[in-house]
Amino acid sequence: EAQVTQNPRYLITVTGKKLTVTCSQNMNHEYMSWYRQDPGLGLRQIYYSMNVEVTDKGDVPEGYKVSRKEKRNFPLILESPSPNQTSLYFCASRGGSTGELFFGEGSRLTVL
Amino acid sequence: EDQVTQSPEALRLQEGESSSLNCSYTVSGLRGLFWYRQDPGKGPEFLFTLYSAGEEKEKERLKATLTKKESFLHITAPKPEDSATYLCAVQAGSWGKLQFGAGTQVVVTP
Repeated sequence: EAQVTQNPRYLITVTGKKLTVTCSQNMNHEYMSWYRQDPGLGLRQIYYSMNVEVTDKGDVPEGYKVSRKEKRNFPLILESPSPNQTSLYFCASRGGSTGELFFGEGSRLTVL
Repeated sequence: EDQVTQSPEALRLQEGESSSLNCSYTVSGLRGLFWYRQDPGKGPEFLFTLYSAGEEKEKERLKATLTKKESFLHITAPKPEDSATYLCAVQAGSWGKLQFGAGTQVVVTP
């Protein structure tokens, strides 16, 4: 089954404790991207990757890092999380002629 | 600055009561406009891609249209299972960047 898998789905952490949210896709897509979703603000793009070893900033990259060492994986790293990074995070990959994004189920992160 | 604005924020419909959602955009070099549906607790699910003004796409009770400044998602004779948040997204300039609107929450009551 074609899917994008994120882990963890839920996480409560404390300020400053480094964490990584993993994202993996099994569709051989070149493009992957991370978004955060906050009430009233919609989905905002954090980082995207056009291919292995190629990453670029989206609209809200501050406080986040990414890496793309393999085609299937695109982890999101919060080196020193702060409460304003409490949010619902989505990973997505893109493929096909329609340019559609395939989204993961989301990771709900709370930073205390 | 590129902007994507969706209206209304929320819409409550009776089953069978047709309506339209609006997505207006101000971007340079539109490459594509996308519509997604999002159910509570789930990731967005792709509905349509529109590339140029005048283009229309249909799927069951949904029809999306595109002009040079806005897109409409028409819901014809909606059913309760059409209840969801509908998101509009615009790709402009870079192939990598995608900007979403805040969404329209649609509730269809029997």
